[in-house]
Amino acid sequence: ETGVTQTPRHLVMGMTNKKSLKCEQHLGHNAMYWYKQSAKKPLELMFVYNFKEQTENNSVPSRFSPECPNSSHLFLHLHTLQPEDSALYLCASSQDRGPGQETEAFFGQGTRLTVV
Amino acid sequence: QKEVEQDPGPLSVPEGAIVSLNCTYSNSAFQYFMWYRQYSRKGPELLMYTYSSGNKEDGRFTAQVDKSSKYISLFIRDSQPSDSATYLCAMSTGGGNKLTFGTGTQLKVEL
Repeated sequence: ETGVTQTPRHLVMGMTNKKSLKCEQHLGHNAMYWYKQSAKKPLELMFVYNFKEQTENNSVPSRFSPECPNSSHLFLHLHTLQPEDSALYLCASSQDRGPGQETEAFFGQGTRLTVV
Repeated sequence: QKEVEQDPGPLSVPEGAIVSLNCTYSNSAFQYFMWYRQYSRKGPELLMYTYSSGNKEDGRFTAQVDKSSKYISLFIRDSQPSDSATYLCAMSTGGGNKLTFGTGTQLKVEL
């Protein structure tokens, strides 16, 4: 099992539902990320949190709402999603020691989301 | 033009072959280069992590970075069926932060 755990592994939701994805890292890192992986497209960075503060929002629609209560936990709250939001959502973490001194990123297994 | 170009494959090789996987990129500010392996229905697993130009070897895997050509490679020696997966190149200006990925190359190693 990796040091980054995501739940649930699979999720099917209707367009009017509200759901949340959870990520927990056991690596002592201080930076966490949400990525989206769609078929035949590169992984896309969605959000970056450093020391629990959001430092990057990569033009993500407001129907995706991240939350980082502490440096070990990261959530992605979902509401009124569209079918094209169906994808694998991946959480990652790394250690940020300052500009240009971040360590490599480790990924969780992802949540396979299907919007119907 | 995509920031990172990677041939999606699929690439099929016989067991024991040497595999060469490549990516090109356009952003000269990239300093950190990574290769991830992703099995079906799994998250990406870090294989190699290199800084700037040069080579790095780890077992059967060798990563090469040529910043002057904006070209990175991953070589797999004595390939095994268990190496069958999608290989993703990734790069950043600052380590694990804000990675830019290629689309991934699907590799199949056949018996």
